[in-house]
Amino acid sequence: DAGVIQSPRHEVTEMGQEVTLRCKPISGHNSLFWYRQTMMRGLELLIYFNNNVPIDDSGMPEDRFSAKMPNASFSTLKIQPSEPRDSAVYFCASSFRTEGETQYFGPGTRLLVL
Amino acid sequence: DQQVKQNSPSLSVQEGRISILNCDYTNSMFDYFLWYKKYPAEGPTFLISISSIKDKNEDGRFTVFLNKSAKHLSLHIVPSQPGDSAVSFCAARGGADGLTFGKGTHLIIQP
Repeated sequence: DAGVIQSPRHEVTEMGQEVTLRCKPISGHNSLFWYRQTMMRGLELLIYFNNNVPIDDSGMPEDRFSAKMPNASFSTLKIQPSEPRDSAVYFCASSFRTEGETQYFGPGTRLLVL
Repeated sequence: DQQVKQNSPSLSVQEGRISILNCDYTNSMFDYFLWYKKYPAEGPTFLISISSIKDKNEDGRFTVFLNKSAKHLSLHIVPSQPGDSAVSFCAARGGADGLTFGKGTHLIIQP
C-alpha cells in the first residue's frame, strides 16, 4: 500500500515567491494534517481537515499560509509570499478518524527560502 | 510553553539492553499518547500508543507506561536494536485531533 505521498521532496525558492506543497493521503483516510518542523519549535500542527473540511487552522502562522483540500485524495499548503523564516520541513499526515486513531506521516518537503 | 516535554535530548544505550525514554506533559485534557521514531530525511513512523484509560500497553519489544497522576509516560524498548537508533518523539492528543509533539530524544544504540 502506498503511504502518504508528498511533493516536492525539496524546494528552494527566493523570498517573495509563491510556494505550493502537495499531499496525497492514504486511500480511505478521512483526516489530513499539516505539520511543520523547525529546529527552534520542533514539530507543530498547522492545520487539519476532517472529510475535506478544515477543522482547526489555529496553528497557521500568518495569512501568508493557506491550505485547501478539494477532495479526499489531495491537499495543498500554499505560502504566498514566502519568507526565509518559512524554511522548514513540512509534513503531511493522514488518519482514519475513529477513537484513538494513528496518524501516518509522509516523508516531508524540505523548504528553503533564500 | 511546552505542553509535551522530553527532557533528555539524547540517550545512548548498548545493543541488547533496555532503552527507557521519558516524556512529561502538562495538559490534563490529553487523552491519547503516541510514540514515533524518525530517521533523517524521513517522516515520523508510529511505534506504539496508549489511551489515558490504560496505564500500560505492550507491542513486541515496545512497552509504554502512563502515570496520569504524575503526567508522565515512558517508552521501554527491550532488547534495544541498532534500528532503534533514531529520534524518538512523544506526542499527545486531547479534544482536537491534532497532535502535540515533544522536541524528541535522539536514541543511539551502541554495538
